[in-house]
Amino acid sequence: AQTVTQSQPEMSVQEAETVTLSCTYDTSESDYYLFWYKQPPSRQMILVIRQEAYKQQNATENRFSVNFQKAAKSFSLKISDSQLGDAAMYFCAYRRPSSSSASKIIFGSGTRLSIRP
Amino acid sequence: DVKVTQSSRYLVKRTGEKVFLECVQDMDHENMFWYRQDPGLGLRLIYFSYDVKMKEKGDIPEGYSVSREKKERFSLILESASTNQTSMYLCASSFELAGGTISYEQYFGPGTRLTVT
Repeated sequence: AQTVTQSQPEMSVQEAETVTLSCTYDTSESDYYLFWYKQPPSRQMILVIRQEAYKQQNATENRFSVNFQKAAKSFSLKISDSQLGDAAMYFCAYRRPSSSSASKIIFGSGTRLSIRP
Repeated sequence: DVKVTQSSRYLVKRTGEKVFLECVQDMDHENMFWYRQDPGLGLRLIYFSYDVKMKEKGDIPEGYSVSREKKERFSLILESASTNQTSMYLCASSFELAGGTISYEQYFGPGTRLTVT
C-alpha cells in the first residue's frame, strides 16, 4: 500500500527567508502524481503545486517549487521569499493516475508552517 | 471559481444522535469525497461518489454512510454518533477527465468541526 510521510510536524521561518518542507512516499508504481496542498487557518484547502512522476523537470509555481527525487521517493516543497500569508498547514499527497477507487489521494500527516515577522 | 460549501462550520451533537453533514458543489463535478482530518493523521478518506447514487468506501467507512441523490449534493451520515467521531470533516469534489479518469485536483469545502459529547 502507498504511504506518505511528513517527518516535520511543525516548522518556522523568518519572513522573506526560504524554507523547505520534506515529504517521502512509498509506492511500487512507476506512474503517479504528487501534490502539495495548503490549508490556511480557518480557510479552505487549496492545491499549491503538482508533479507528474513521468516528468523529470521539477514543477514550479511562482515562489513555490519542488525537488522531486523519484529514485529516493522524495518530494520536498521549497517556499522562497516567505510571506505572512504562507502560514498554514501543508499536506503532501500521492495518487495513481487511474479511474475510480484506484485513484484516491493519500495524504501525509501535515506540516504546520509558521512565519516569523 | 469552484465553490464547495458545507452546511455547518461547527456542530455539537450528543452520543447516539444521528448526524447529517451536507456538502454542495456548484461546478457540476462528477466526483465528491468525504474526509476526516485529525491531528497527526492527515486526511483520511471515508467515502466517495463518482456519480449520482454511486458510492465507494474509503479507508475508514465504519460508522458512516453517505447519500448522493443529486449531482451537486453529497451527504455524510453518522448513524449513531460516538465520541471517537469528534473530528474535522472535509468535503471535496473533482471533475472527470476524458476516458473516465478522475481529475487530479480536488476542490475542498471549508470543513465542519464536529464535537460529539
